[in-house]
Amino acid sequence: EDQVTQSPEALRLQEGESSSLNCSYTVSGLRGLFWYRQDPGKGPEFLFTLYSAGEEKEKERLKATLTKKESFLHITAPKPEDSATYLCAVRLTTDSWGKLQFGAGTQVVVTP
Amino acid sequence: NAGVTQTPKFQVLKTGQSMTLQCAQDMNHEYMSWYRQDPGMGLRLIHYSVGAGITDQGEVPNGYNVSRSTTEDFPLRLLSAAPSQTSVYFCASSSDLNSPLHFGNGTRLTVT
Repeated sequence: EDQVTQSPEALRLQEGESSSLNCSYTVSGLRGLFWYRQDPGKGPEFLFTLYSAGEEKEKERLKATLTKKESFLHITAPKPEDSATYLCAVRLTTDSWGKLQFGAGTQVVVTP
Repeated sequence: NAGVTQTPKFQVLKTGQSMTLQCAQDMNHEYMSWYRQDPGMGLRLIHYSVGAGITDQGEVPNGYNVSRSTTEDFPLRLLSAAPSQTSVYFCASSSDLNSPLHFGNGTRLTVT
């Protein structure tokens, strides 16, 4: 069975304290892995797409990496405005209609 | 540019009532989908559409109906609301099956 697992469930950071979020996946074939940010009361906002092992993408203080079994979202020197829930999702090669399967998310709180 | 617009933002229903959640996008996207988000369970796919007149079931379709008569609109109908349908509902669209999803800001539904 295809699964997407995110850890930790919640993360509390001091401003400037770098950390990483994990998204591990057990799928039949990966077409793409997506990272989203979700603020309270809002819909998920797209951050990155990764397609193959070894690929990296960066945006401001965020960097996403991909291996054959997991993806990491690194937050470098976070600021309070980085507080959000971060979601990862996978799209499978076996799914001709390209549906996304989501993990449960990691809630990040950055305190000043 | 509005993107994906969902109405209403909040709704309270009594058990057995029916209603339609509206979703409209102005990006001329062919692919649209409905997800529900429950605490600790992540986003789960209800129904999706790859174009006008074409819909299919996702992971949790029971109790919901959809139709797609235009490219812009993809309404979700609750036939007879149940407390188990209390959730936050998100509509999303993408330009093709390999592109990321763009989400609306959700409808928070409570069924009493």
